[in-house]
Amino acid sequence: GDSVTQMEGPVTLSEEAFLTINCTYTATGYPSLFWYVQYPGEGLQLLLKATKADDKGSNKGFEATYRKETTSFHLEKGSVQVSDSAVYFCALSDQDGANSKLTFGKGITLSVRP
Amino acid sequence: DAGVTQSPTHLIKTRGQQVTLRCSPKSGHDTVSWYQQALGQGPQFIFQYYEEEERQRGNFPDRFSGHQFPNYSSELNVNALLLGDSALYLCASSRTWDTQYFGPGTRLTVL
Repeated sequence: GDSVTQMEGPVTLSEEAFLTINCTYTATGYPSLFWYVQYPGEGLQLLLKATKADDKGSNKGFEATYRKETTSFHLEKGSVQVSDSAVYFCALSDQDGANSKLTFGKGITLSVRP
Repeated sequence: DAGVTQSPTHLIKTRGQQVTLRCSPKSGHDTVSWYQQALGQGPQFIFQYYEEEERQRGNFPDRFSGHQFPNYSSELNVNALLLGDSALYLCASSRTWDTQYFGPGTRLTVL
């Protein structure tokens, strides 16, 4: 079945540091890929998405490129801020016919210190 | 434009009881999905409703059931609660196959 693997956490960075969070996936079809972010005590917010190979999703300075050859969707940001501290989830949606459930990774906690 | 709303925010129940959680989708969305997020884990898909029918179901027992109303709002029911059902329950809405948008969740504690 479909699965998403995220790098082990937590990750602690200083403000303005470069961020990379690794995500790889296994899927039978041609999935859409997502990054969601969860701030403390809140639900999930869509951060960015990509729907086909070589697409780049971007939002709020975060970027991720859909790499079919390496089945990866790594999240990057050039300069993190304290306000980026949150839990980040990589997810895929393998849209088989009318089905579009999301399969999530375990998430990784990012802490950014001033 | 209101986003996805869920009620209640928090709920405390005892083992064996039954619970109903509610979700109102984002305006214009016709599909509602439910997820269970245990502490420290990623969300797990429970089921999805479209046109008042359960369209897809994850690996959850029959104790978990749902309903979608003509106005696209939805309920999640859990019978015979177990301690292991304690989790954050998330509702997500979408337009058919489009991107899912999540509500703030209902925190269920089973004692």
